Parts: sequence; C-alpha cells; structure tokens
Amino acid sequence: AQSVSQHNHHVILSEAASLELGCNYSYGGTVNLFWYVQYPGQHLQLLLKYFSGDPLVKGIKGFEAEFIKSKFSFNLRKPSVQWSDTAEYFCAVNPYSGGGADGLTFGKGTHLIIQP
Amino acid sequence: DAMVIQNPRYQVTQFGKPVTLSCSQTLNHNVMYWYQQKSSQAPKLLFHYYDKDFNNEADTPDNFQSRRPNTSFCFLDIRSPGLGDAAMYLCATSRKRGWGDSNQPQHFGDGTRLSIL
Repeated sequence: AQSVSQHNHHVILSEAASLELGCNYSYGGTVNLFWYVQYPGQHLQLLLKYFSGDPLVKGIKGFEAEFIKSKFSFNLRKPSVQWSDTAEYFCAVNPYSGGGADGLTFGKGTHLIIQP
Repeated sequence: DAMVIQNPRYQVTQFGKPVTLSCSQTLNHNVMYWYQQKSSQAPKLLFHYYDKDFNNEADTPDNFQSRRPNTSFCFLDIRSPGLGDAAMYLCATSRKRGWGDSNQPQHFGDGTRLSIL
C-alpha cells in the first residue's frame, strides 16, 4: 500500500516570502500525484497534478511542483506568497492501476498561515 | 455552481442510531468516493463506486455501507455509529473513461461533519 508524508504540519510565513512544502510518497509503481488546497470553510480544490511528462508542473494561483522520481518527492513551491494563500495543503497520490478507479492516499496536510 | 453537493453540512446523531449521509453530483462522473477525515488527520478512503461496481477498502469497518441508486447520487450509511465515528465525511467524484485511462482529479464536496451524542 502507498503512503504519503508531509514534513511540515504548520508553516508560518510573511507575505512575499517564498514557499516550499515537502511531500514524499512510498509506492513501487507508477503514481499520479496531486496537491489539493482547502481554504477556511471551503472544500478541497485541486491546485495541480502530475501524470507524466515534464516533471515540473504549474498549477493555479502561481503554484508549481516538481516530481523527482529518484527521491519519491513532489514538493510544492510558490516564489512569493500572499495573505490569501492561508489554507490547509494536502499532497495526495494514487497508483496508476490501469483497470480500476483508485482512491487517493493523502498526507496529513500542512496548515499554512501567511502574516500580512 | 456547486458540482458535488453534500447534505447535510452538519449531522448530529445518537450513539447506535443509524444515520445516512447524502452526496449528489452534476458532473456526470462515473466514479464516486467516500472519505472519512478525523480531526488533524488525513482524509481516508472508505470505499468507492466505479459505475455500479462497489469497491470497499480492506480496513473499512462493516458498520459503514454505501448505496448508489443512480449516477448522480451516492449515500453513506452508518448502521450503528460509535463515538469513534465522529468525523468529517467527504464525497468526491471523478471520471474514468476506461482501462488504461489515468485516474482523473477528484472533485470534492464541502463535507458533512458528523457528531455522535
């Protein structure tokens, strides 16, 4: 079974600071990788995804993530954060099984607070 | 413009009293998922429907059941809720076109927060 580890449970940054949230997964096969964001009082929303191809993927709101296969990592980055980025961020994976429709395995989440 | 709708947002039930949570979708997605998220923990997959096929996770308690009467609706039934079942329950949908298609991103509802008295 796969697992996902997010290294930082709480991160506090000032506006305009750069952000990097770590995510590592364990699974021996091909995986699809996702970052989801949950703003206060709202549902989980997709930030970006990686299926194949260019390991550097760009998502909404200036976020990007880099898939490093050798490190089993999929870290999320943003060069300059804004107060509105305050939210819970979840890394998630699901295996590419071909035949089935697989659920997501989530990390525990990182609570990001941006101070004005 | 809600596309995955969960009702109710908050549900209170008594210990041992059956409860049903509802999820509907306007996306016409063929896969629907139920996740349980306890406080400060990651969402955990309980089961999913791929079209009409029910797929239960190995560690989902027998107390949890699901029904999908049609494409748009999916229900989570908890037959005898215990205090440990208090959690946020998330419904999600995705589209799977067929064998070999990647698992497309999932769309989540707002969740139902279940409290047990």
